[in-house]
Amino acid sequence: GAVVSQHPSWVICKSGTSVKIECRSLDFQATTMFWYRQFPKQSLMLMATSNEGSKATYEQGVEKDKFLINHASLTLSTLTVTSAHPEDSSFYICSASGQALVLGSPLHFGNGTRLTVT
Amino acid sequence: RKEVEQDPGPFNVPEGATVAFNCTYSNSASQSFFWYRQDCRKEPKLLMSVYSSGNEDGRFTAQLNRASQYISLLIRDSKLSDSATYLCVVPPTLIFGKGTKLSVKP
Repeated sequence: GAVVSQHPSWVICKSGTSVKIECRSLDFQATTMFWYRQFPKQSLMLMATSNEGSKATYEQGVEKDKFLINHASLTLSTLTVTSAHPEDSSFYICSASGQALVLGSPLHFGNGTRLTVT
Repeated sequence: RKEVEQDPGPFNVPEGATVAFNCTYSNSASQSFFWYRQDCRKEPKLLMSVYSSGNEDGRFTAQLNRASQYISLLIRDSKLSDSATYLCVVPPTLIFGKGTKLSVKP
């Protein structure tokens, strides 16, 4: 099956620093990648949708200047949490689709990144 | 009506029981449907895809009811390892609900 690799799996950083999370599709070309965030006992919240070679589309309430997304190739998207604060501590998960979702291609998720900001 | 709705549960069932969850959706034009399971502190993993009336894979059966706009997931002979949160995804929406929590007890 399709494999999506996310790195790092966990990271602890100090308040005010930036953290970059990578999401790679290993065996397919991901035209679209999605970034989610999940707080404990809450549902996955879609943060943004990124298409290769174009600007990401952010969901309402997500600061695009704080959560920088780059989708420079068909196999790699990155999420950078800039000037991280403790309230940014969460489980960040990327997912990728090889075709338009309406054509029936399921989402494949990375293993997630647990961010703790101290 | 929310785009996707699920009964949050929790569903507490004994081992060996049969349990079913429903997921209602609002977009009548949706053509594909997916069930995922998510274990605590893990990413969702694809469980089943449904493109027509239904799909079956071992103890798991997914059925689609287009007229009433819901998909169901049936788990037979529940195992302890089935304990997880089950999420349905109905493209084009990418909004997840909280899913349905299943707890299988010995």
